[in-house]
Amino acid sequence: ETGVTQTPRHLVMGMTNKKSLKCEQHLGHNAMYWYKQSAKKPLELMFVYSLEERVENNSVPSRFSPECPNSSHLFLHLHTLQPEDSALYLCASSRMGSGNTIYFGEGSWLTVV
Amino acid sequence: GQNIDQPTEMTATEGAIVQINCTYQTSGFNGLFWYQQHAGEAPTFLSYNVLDGLEEKGRFSSFLSRSKGYSYLLLKELQMKDSASYLCAAYNTDKLIFGTGTRLQVFP
Repeated sequence: ETGVTQTPRHLVMGMTNKKSLKCEQHLGHNAMYWYKQSAKKPLELMFVYSLEERVENNSVPSRFSPECPNSSHLFLHLHTLQPEDSALYLCASSRMGSGNTIYFGEGSWLTVV
Repeated sequence: GQNIDQPTEMTATEGAIVQINCTYQTSGFNGLFWYQQHAGEAPTFLSYNVLDGLEEKGRFSSFLSRSKGYSYLLLKELQMKDSASYLCAAYNTDKLIFGTGTRLQVFP
């Protein structure tokens, strides 16, 4: 139990579907992140929210749409994905500021068919 | 540019010592993290080095040389449960940049 909970753990979706990934943190942090983890590639930072405002968007395609309604919750809305988007999507949280430890959730395995 | 290099795979024997190296190049540097990730699980925090030198934490130690852009994670008295991926990550100003991870397999 890392204090960061992600649902669903596994998701299979068609290319025309709309689905959402959910993340909740119980650590009192004020920054939240979405990372993408593909086989044999480094963890890729997708989005950063700090105090519920998006502060980072690493050239992620618009078919991925994040939402942060409050400092404890983070969503990733998925729409018309491609098979190459199949990956492990990791949510993480931390206190704001450089050098603070980032705590990860267990991830949502996404398969696009 | 930003680049983190670490070996892709390593093997070792139970009870032995293994050293996983990491070299980094970042435009700004505010410290280096090591994470452990078992298959299908979340990466979990192992260590954070800001200053040069060795930080010891039980069976695990982490070393940093800022002038050389180099770090290593040292695992002693290896156990089967240490089989996992070990991720090196450098803080670049305000972003954490990850390497591809080193997959360590421990054999009896």
